[in-house]
Amino acid sequence: GAGVSQTPSNKVTEKGKYVELRCDPISGHTALYWYRQSLGQGPEFLIYFQGTGAADDSGLPNDRFFAVRPEGSVSTLKIQRTERGDSAVYLCASSLTRVRAGGIAFFGQGTRLTVV
Amino acid sequence: AQTVTQSQPEMSVQEAETVTLSCTYDTSENNYYLFWYKQPPSRQMILVIRQEAYKQQNATENRFSVNFQKAAKSFSLKISDSQLGDTAMYFCAFSNDMRFGAGTRLTVKP
Repeated sequence: GAGVSQTPSNKVTEKGKYVELRCDPISGHTALYWYRQSLGQGPEFLIYFQGTGAADDSGLPNDRFFAVRPEGSVSTLKIQRTERGDSAVYLCASSLTRVRAGGIAFFGQGTRLTVV
Repeated sequence: AQTVTQSQPEMSVQEAETVTLSCTYDTSENNYYLFWYKQPPSRQMILVIRQEAYKQQNATENRFSVNFQKAAKSFSLKISDSQLGDTAMYFCAFSNDMRFGAGTRLTVKP
């Protein structure tokens, strides 16, 4: 597609439920990043994929959070046993090459997750 | 992890005037990139400008320019001839671990 696509745009779930958030990167982009953005704050790094592998998952807050990218394109962020504190906008970005190596990250419009 | 600090939570400027947003960062690395992103209410993060650390020349994109001081680890964004459409959150980011600052909310007043 022309840009990074994230679905759904909004998700409301009950505390304790499981949710999946999807990110479709720009075609051909090998690097993919997930961020969490709480209200009024900057994006908080969660995980970075290079191809199919998670090259850096140091930002995942705990073992309730997990992300996959099985074919090196679409990625899914999975949150188990959701808590009210998980409410935030989840942003995905992709780049042709790793940003550290000069790539430019393009962002999707995010998924607003609300845990009630 | 590197740290990125934006010390101005909010700024305002009159339309057509110039405003400068500040950013400092901390790193021991020598090669990296710095970015300014704009986030309007639509939530879409849009790249404004990018600076390569090994280039001494400050990056410029139309009305947007940076003042990059590598030794001081400072990377400020100057917006000239401010327009109403520049109203947004602005985030500074560091390439090597893709960390962002807390942001500056810029309001352009008519």
